[in-house]
Amino acid sequence: GDQVEQSPSALSLHEGTGSALRCNFTTTMRAVQWFRKNSRGSLINLFYLASGTKENGRLKSAFDSKERYSTLHIRDAQLEDSGTYFCAVRTGGYKVVFGSGTRLLVSP
Amino acid sequence: EAAVTQSPRNKVTVTGGNVTLSCRQTNSHNYMYWYRQDTGHGLRLIHYSYGAGNLQIGDVPDGYKATRTTQEDFFLLLELASPSQTSLYFCASSPGTNYEQYFGPGTRLTVL
Repeated sequence: GDQVEQSPSALSLHEGTGSALRCNFTTTMRAVQWFRKNSRGSLINLFYLASGTKENGRLKSAFDSKERYSTLHIRDAQLEDSGTYFCAVRTGGYKVVFGSGTRLLVSP
Repeated sequence: EAAVTQSPRNKVTVTGGNVTLSCRQTNSHNYMYWYRQDTGHGLRLIHYSYGAGNLQIGDVPDGYKATRTTQEDFFLLLELASPSQTSLYFCASSPGTNYEQYFGPGTRLTVL
């Protein structure tokens, strides 16, 4: 079946540093959506991409359907960025497959 | 701005109990979805609907019923709750299948 692999599964950053989260797919996907689940359990929409890149503040995401991956870059990490980040990919029709998440902890 | 609300936010019930989770969206979206999210897993689709009176089965439907009474309202029903249904439940809406989904704040359900 369709597979979505997120990496890393967990990540620790110090404030002010940055890193990249990655989502790999086993088949061609039509679009990707990135979310953050915050400490209250709410899902926050970050990006929706059908191609190319998008940037919003300290976050930037890229989607390469041909190479079957998407990335989420975080720069100048802040404490409030802590949470679990999910990618979700649309394969076609109603089908949306979620990755298992990356738990990010930003420390002072 | 898109708005999806869920109630209750937290619910505790006992095995065999009857639970209804509510979701309302004011986006005028056609599609609504119910997911569950468990530690170490992404969200898994339980049921979805593309309009009032419509219901489609998702990937993990066993033990769940759903009903879409209006375009705005989508309910998830657990008629005989079991401890395996302890989870965080998210509702979402989207204009269509090729659009991003907007999520509610989640309902944490505990079945004792």
